Amino acid sequence: GQNIDQPTEMTATEGAIVQINCTYQTSGFNGLFWYQQHAGEAPTFLSYNVLDGLEEKGRFSSFLSRSKGYSYLLLKELQMKDSASYLCAVGSWGKLQFGAGTQVVVTP
Amino acid sequence: DAGITQSPRYKITETGRQVTLMCHQTWSHSYMFWYRQDLGHGLRLIYYSAAADITDKGEVPDGYVVSRSKTENFPLTLESATRSQTSVYFCASSESRAGADEQYFGPGTRLTVT
Repeated sequence: GQNIDQPTEMTATEGAIVQINCTYQTSGFNGLFWYQQHAGEAPTFLSYNVLDGLEEKGRFSSFLSRSKGYSYLLLKELQMKDSASYLCAVGSWGKLQFGAGTQVVVTP
Repeated sequence: DAGITQSPRYKITETGRQVTLMCHQTWSHSYMFWYRQDLGHGLRLIYYSAAADITDKGEVPDGYVVSRSKTENFPLTLESATRSQTSVYFCASSESRAGADEQYFGPGTRLTVT
């Protein structure tokens, strides 16, 4: 089984940076995914890390340390449309297991 | 490009009734998944399928049945609905194993069991 932990909620100001941490314990590991989910909508893929290090995609970056069971998603230059839930998911044994999600609230 | 669709989008049913949620994808992805999403639990895997006629249980399979006679369809049936199955159900698909490839989600079905 797996245990995936991420904070429940974070608040940040428009234009700022927010870092969402995710820790996991797993018996097998193929990769770590981050998804964004706006209220009432389906999750959409943001990033994927399989090796240690930083992956950058525009305003979003994701970091992975396999030895520490740790990942973070960095959101830069926050915009109001970034207000959403961010889901950390671990892929192993052909399946994805999701954390409960972090609700990010962006304020003007 | 329709992608992945789910029907119905909203459903209200009574306890004890059988309900089938439909999922259809146009990409010919091998893998398909069913999740339920409840407050405080995040997304939990119900069943998944690696190919037509191959299905396997996820984290919370009790009370659900799936089939996959065609690659593009993956229906989920609640044999006798219970109030605890009130939830939002998402279908997803991916080209390869979940641990190695991103999943694409359908728009979801909001099910209420009264």
